[in-house]
Amino acid sequence: NAGVMQNPRHLVRRRGQEARLRCSPMKGHSHVYWYRQLPEEGLKFMVYLQKENIIDESGMPKERFSAEFPKEGPSILRIQQVVRGDSAAYFCASSPCCARVWDTQYFGPGTRLTVL
Amino acid sequence: AQKVTQAQTEISVVEKEDVTLDCVYETRDTTYYLFWYKQPPSGELVFLIRRNSFDEQNEISGRYSWNFQKSTSSFNFTITASQVVDSAVYFCALETSGSRLTFGEGTQLTVNP
Repeated sequence: NAGVMQNPRHLVRRRGQEARLRCSPMKGHSHVYWYRQLPEEGLKFMVYLQKENIIDESGMPKERFSAEFPKEGPSILRIQQVVRGDSAAYFCASSPCCARVWDTQYFGPGTRLTVL
Repeated sequence: AQKVTQAQTEISVVEKEDVTLDCVYETRDTTYYLFWYKQPPSGELVFLIRRNSFDEQNEISGRYSWNFQKSTSSFNFTITASQVVDSAVYFCALETSGSRLTFGEGTQLTVNP
């Protein structure tokens, strides 16, 4: 059973470009979470999605960041017009179900974004 | 609001020593889960344990043990007879009804040979 997959593992962008980070949840998991880890810091929650729905985006920056989890395909975290401060490791996690069931979130290996 | 504090930023021990990583949490929810994750130098996050707020039994798994004390809002993690491969950043995390995880800042553990 494959774990959570993220690609690319490393992404380099110049300021002003767009970054697209992909996350394929574990088989059978329908809930996806994105977290960001800035250098030398802990992980911070960004957004929680189910298929075709954003459940909680309270951790997302108001501008330039968006996330989706379509009916088919991976979840995408999109960062438009990247700036140096966006350089971080972005982790995706998935769980089988919802808050009421309190399932453990399993993390992918992360995508390390570097903005030049 | 939820908060997790890991007061120890860095710990350095010599192999075979026991080491305890502290975690203190804050929440007003009565139902919650506590977690520990390991982040080795390769960068991935490895799930270690999940504990719910109604189960204060301590847990042991091999050289790892966890001490959950609701009275002090602490969920400490002890590694017995540490090994070089235990060197990593360890994160304590809290999950409440919102389903998001709130992480501490992490403790960098270095085990020297």
